[in-house]
Amino acid sequence: QVQLVQSGAEVKKPGASVKVSCKASGYTFSNHAMHWVRQAPGQRLEWMGWFNPGIGSTKYSQKFQGRVTVTSDTSASTAYMELSSLRSEDTAVYYCARENHSYGSGSYHYYMDVWGKGTTVTVSS
Amino acid sequence: DIQMTQSPSSLSAFVGDRVTITCRASQSISTSLNWYQQKSGKAPKLLIYAASSLQSGVPSRFSGSGSGTDFTLTISSLQGEDFATYFCQQTYRSPQTFGQGTKVEI
Repeated sequence: QVQLVQSGAEVKKPGASVKVSCKASGYTFSNHAMHWVRQAPGQRLEWMGWFNPGIGSTKYSQKFQGRVTVTSDTSASTAYMELSSLRSEDTAVYYCARENHSYGSGSYHYYMDVWGKGTTVTVSS
Repeated sequence: DIQMTQSPSSLSAFVGDRVTITCRASQSISTSLNWYQQKSGKAPKLLIYAASSLQSGVPSRFSGSGSGTDFTLTISSLQGEDFATYFCQQTYRSPQTFGQGTKVEI
């Protein structure tokens, strides 16, 4: 079945970087873009960025521009999200999510149909 | 950024109740609106995409409607496993944004 398996929890000090991995299985990795979404404690979901392995393009939320990098290793069907210059406010659960789309009423509609279980990143001195 | 506002923020209901959650966008987003269910400590699960299309495997008691700025998620007969937090998401314009969530409690 389609599955996204994320790397384990991380504890980092302020100023450090963290790299989270997301291994896909059960589908052709290059056929779907991968999104990264985070959720700080008690907060709403927050979109961070997107990588399309099929065309090698990325797009980031302006909020994280310059601090986040999303990449992939297509041969390993694995996506990565690296966040640098960590601060306490970056303490959150980080999710990868597969993009899918439908076509209707003259336009494409995009949605996240498969999610990883999340990776908890704690930033603390 | 497009702001997504849900109401109510929380509600209490009984098994068997009809439950309606609304989501309002700060500008028109056509039907580029998705709904997710999230249980405590778990990843979100897609329920509805493109405002009204039911994701495969999701029970038919869930339905979505709306276009433009106002959207609704309806659970026709609440079941025990439906107690969770529900989020709307717009994908009309980057950055994609989510509502603050509606917690459905017993």
